[in-house]
Amino acid sequence: DQQVKQNSPSLSVQEGRISILNCDYTNSMFDYFLWYKKYPAEGPTFLISISSIKDKNEDGRFTVFLNKSAKHLSLHIVPSQPGDSAVYFCAASGYGGSQGNLIFGKGTKLSVKP
Amino acid sequence: EAGVAQSPRYKIIEKRQSVAFWCNPISGHATLYWYQQILGQGPKLLIQFQNNGVVDDSQLPKDRFSAERLKGVDSTLKIQPAKLEDSAVYLCASSSLDESQETQYFGPGTRLLVL
Repeated sequence: DQQVKQNSPSLSVQEGRISILNCDYTNSMFDYFLWYKKYPAEGPTFLISISSIKDKNEDGRFTVFLNKSAKHLSLHIVPSQPGDSAVYFCAASGYGGSQGNLIFGKGTKLSVKP
Repeated sequence: EAGVAQSPRYKIIEKRQSVAFWCNPISGHATLYWYQQILGQGPKLLIQFQNNGVVDDSQLPKDRFSAERLKGVDSTLKIQPAKLEDSAVYLCASSSLDESQETQYFGPGTRLLVL
């Protein structure tokens, strides 16, 4: 039973446009959400996070939105750049497990075309 | 600052053989994690250490997997005996007590293929 779902395995976007990656979760106990980015043959890299007490967090070109009532979060990348091409993982914590115990989605592969 | 180091990067073994992976976390990071990432899936936590103590090993298949962090620094993860379904990338991550423990720094992983 997947508690964190990324229903789009892949997304293709033109350079300069907005990329929107989506994530849904089922456990209402989650209170912290993160996005990690992964290039081939490398480990995931932390990108941005949001606490459940907020509905938006922004860091440069990256913004994460959280809709608790819908149990949905999204990552917006504006403007998209070819270097953003990677697999993006949504993760959640705070469900009652140990602090730092992250539940990851399956990932969405983003391709940004020049 | 050096990142999380893992070795080997690749390993091919036959089923029922044993294998061990090594991880050296970022200097000063008290918390160390081992994840298993099966192809097409997200990483799944196997075990979490804080210093040399186990915080969470609820998802570690203890009949065949073991892990230790004896001196609270580097760590080894062992599989004995390996099964075909253990083929995956094994990721080590670490985090600092000065930051949110959800902000984890990952190594490049060890890709294991069990034949």
